[in-house]
This record gives sequence, structure tokens and C-alpha cells, in this order.
Amino acid sequence: DAGVIQSPRHEVTEMGQEVTLRCKPISGHNSLFWYRQTMMRGLELLIYFNNNVPIDDSGMPEDRFSAKMPNASFSTLKIQPSEPRDSAVYFCASSFWGKAQGYTFGSGTRLTVV
Amino acid sequence: AQTVTQSQPEMSVQEAETVTLSCTYDTSESDYYLFWYKQPPSRQMILVIRQEAYKQQNATENRFSVNFQKAAKSFSLKISDSQLGDAAMYFCAYDTSGTYKYIFGTGTRLKVLA
Repeated sequence: DAGVIQSPRHEVTEMGQEVTLRCKPISGHNSLFWYRQTMMRGLELLIYFNNNVPIDDSGMPEDRFSAKMPNASFSTLKIQPSEPRDSAVYFCASSFWGKAQGYTFGSGTRLTVV
Repeated sequence: AQTVTQSQPEMSVQEAETVTLSCTYDTSESDYYLFWYKQPPSRQMILVIRQEAYKQQNATENRFSVNFQKAAKSFSLKISDSQLGDAAMYFCAYDTSGTYKYIFGTGTRLKVLA
């Protein structure tokens, strides 16, 4: 298995632009998580899905952030409009719901908003 | 609310020596899981080892082992025969059974000296 695949690896965008981050979870995993990592705040859970359904989005910072999971093999995290304070590394992770085996993380997307 | 504390921002170890990274947590739950993740400069978060709270036996994965003290709420990671490739940030994480919302510590940066 290729693991959790995220794209792009790096993204530089101008303030106000729309940004879309993409994630392909491991085949067979039925839960998916979006995390944000910054020096100041560490790792923060933004949202997670179980069987493609959003379970908890309480970590999504603002209405500018939205996430979708249209099917079991694809998820997106969108920021519109982007702001410099959104600059961070965004991780996607997947796992088997109910197994507590630990997440498998993707390589992350480093987002820079200028 | 549960918290995870890693009190050592940085540690150093000589190659081939042993090092222990500390992690403490606070919870009122009796059933939970604990994890150590490694984040090398490549940025990807890699699961190192996991421990189920109801198991008395300390988990071991090759050169990595934990010292799980449930009453003291302590979960330290021991790395034996340290290698240059072990240099990374190490994060301790807590998962309350049933929520799958990991709480991460702030991390410990491990340097391995040749």
C-alpha cells in the first residue's frame, strides 16, 4: 500500500485566494482525520470522518475552513479566503474506526499564505 | 479535560547509547490508549509504539520500549542502541477509547551524536 497520500506537498498562495488540500486514505481504512501543525499551537485536530460522514468538526477554526469526503478514497480541506495565519503544515491521517491501532499519517502539506 | 505533558523540549544521546523520553498525562478515564509518534525532518509522522491502558505489560518494538506506570500516569519511551536515524521530534499521544481524538504533547526533539 502506498500509504496516506496528500497533495500538494507545498503550497504558496496569496492572501484571499482559495486553497484546496487533498488526501487519499489507505484503502480499507474507514476513518479520516485532518490535523494542523504549527510551532505555536502544536498538533490540532480540525475534523474527522467515519465512513465518509463528518463526526466532529469542532476543531475547524472558522467558517473559512471546510472539509468534504465524497467517497471512501478521497477527502479535501478547503480554505476560502486564505489568510497569513493559516500558514501551517496540514496533515491527513486514516485508521480503522474502533481499532485504536494508531493513525497512519500522510506526509503533510506545507501551506504558506503571503 | 485530558492533557499530555512532555517536559523535555530537547534531549541528546550518543550513538549506541540508551535514552528515555518522558511523558505524563492527566485523565479520569480508566480505558484509553497511549502512543509515541516520531517526526523526522522529512515531516511525516510515524507510529513508533502503542500501549493499551488495561494491559500491565509494557509494549516493546525492537529497540523501542515503554515504561507505562498507570497509577502515576506516566508513559516514557526508551530507545536502546540509538542510531543516527532516530534523530527526530517525538510526540506522545493519548486517545480516550471511543473518541479517537488524539491529544498530543508538545514534543521532544532528540539529537543523536555520532
